[in-house]
Formats: sequence, C-alpha cells, structure tokens
Amino acid sequence: QQPVQSPQAVILREGEDAVINCSSSKALYSVHWYRQKHGEAPVFLMILLKGGEQKGHEKISASFNEKKQQSSLYLTASQLSYSGTYFCGTPSGNTPLVFGKGTRLSVIA
Amino acid sequence: DTGVSQDPRHKITKRGQNVTFRCDPISEHNRLYWYRQTLGQGPEFLTYFQNEAQLEKSRLLSDRFSAERPKGSFSTLEIQRTEQGDSAMYLCASSDGGQPQHFGDGTRLSIL
Repeated sequence: QQPVQSPQAVILREGEDAVINCSSSKALYSVHWYRQKHGEAPVFLMILLKGGEQKGHEKISASFNEKKQQSSLYLTASQLSYSGTYFCGTPSGNTPLVFGKGTRLSVIA
Repeated sequence: DTGVSQDPRHKITKRGQNVTFRCDPISEHNRLYWYRQTLGQGPEFLTYFQNEAQLEKSRLLSDRFSAERPKGSFSTLEIQRTEQGDSAMYLCASSDGGQPQHFGDGTRLSIL
C-alpha cells in the first residue's frame, strides 16, 4: 500500500517554512524520510519508529502520529540546499519499504 | 565507507536484448535491495536479499527480471528480452539489517 504525500510540489523563498505530509490507509509502524536531488541518489534523512515521536536534524524535523496514520516533515527557515524531492517510505507486508510519489520542493532566493 | 556502487551508470540497448546490472553494497551491510524509478515517481521496490538469501521477489515486474547475490556480497539484476517500458533508473540500496537503506547512484537504462 503506497503512502500518499501532500502537497505534490511546493515553492518557497529562502527562510520560509514548509510542511510535507505522508499518510497511509493502513497502520503505520515506521516512517522513513529521504531527499533526492535531481540526478542523484535518494539520501536518508530520518526514521520514526514510535507513534508521536519527533526527530530532528538541524532545521528539519518530523513527527509521527500512529492514530492518524500520518507523518509530517517540517522544514524550518528553508535554505537553497533544501531543494529536491522528498519521499516518505513505509514497510508494507513483506516489502521493506514502499515509497510515496514524492513532494518536489523548490527553494528560491 | 565507500558507499553503494552501481555499474554501469548508463546502459543503452536495443529492444529484445538482455542486460545485466551490478551492485556492490557497503561492505558491512548484509541486506541489499533493488528498486526501479521512473520520472516523477518514487523508487519502486523490486526485490531484496539478506546475505545470499532472496527474501522477497514477488515484486519483480515480470519473469523477465531476475536477481542474484551468490556470495552475499555484490548482486546482479538481469532483464531478459528488454522492452520499451523497461526504460528507467534502476537503484540499488544496502543496509545493516533493519537499519536505514543507503542508495547507490543508479543505472539508467534506455531501450531503443
């Protein structure tokens, strides 16, 4: 079951904040977040394993709400380097990770 | 840590030909994964190994696709009788057990 990401795309000016959501119709046990820049490999950002858990790295953080079957990625005071496509992935059955279709983030000066 | 290595980076072939891609995982990683990615989509899981055992292969796209990891180190993905729809980026990732996956730069396949 593929998680659903929203929005599909967002454009920000440097310094603005953004939220990317990832939801599933099935119970979520963990959510993995990756960023992929154009022409490059996806790069791991963080994994959330418990409901309600929040993790952060510098100005990028995430939350995980088991009851809502949803995770959100928060980008604070965005920088040009944040541009790329963000994917969430969740385990499903025997599949270690099923990725969403991604959210394309463009940060402009 | 040299990262996940994939070879070749690009492959152009004629429809109907067979192609084989290689993936060398991070040396201490026992799990190896194969994905396909098309433009504007997320990576699509194909199969994965734990050491030399192929744990899940039902997601391979057809019986033309097969993968091996004979000694539990590098892996190969083969596509037989390639079709136009096989054109995509093929990504390999590795992990230490259930730890986060680290991706290689991929092999871009173009079918003429």
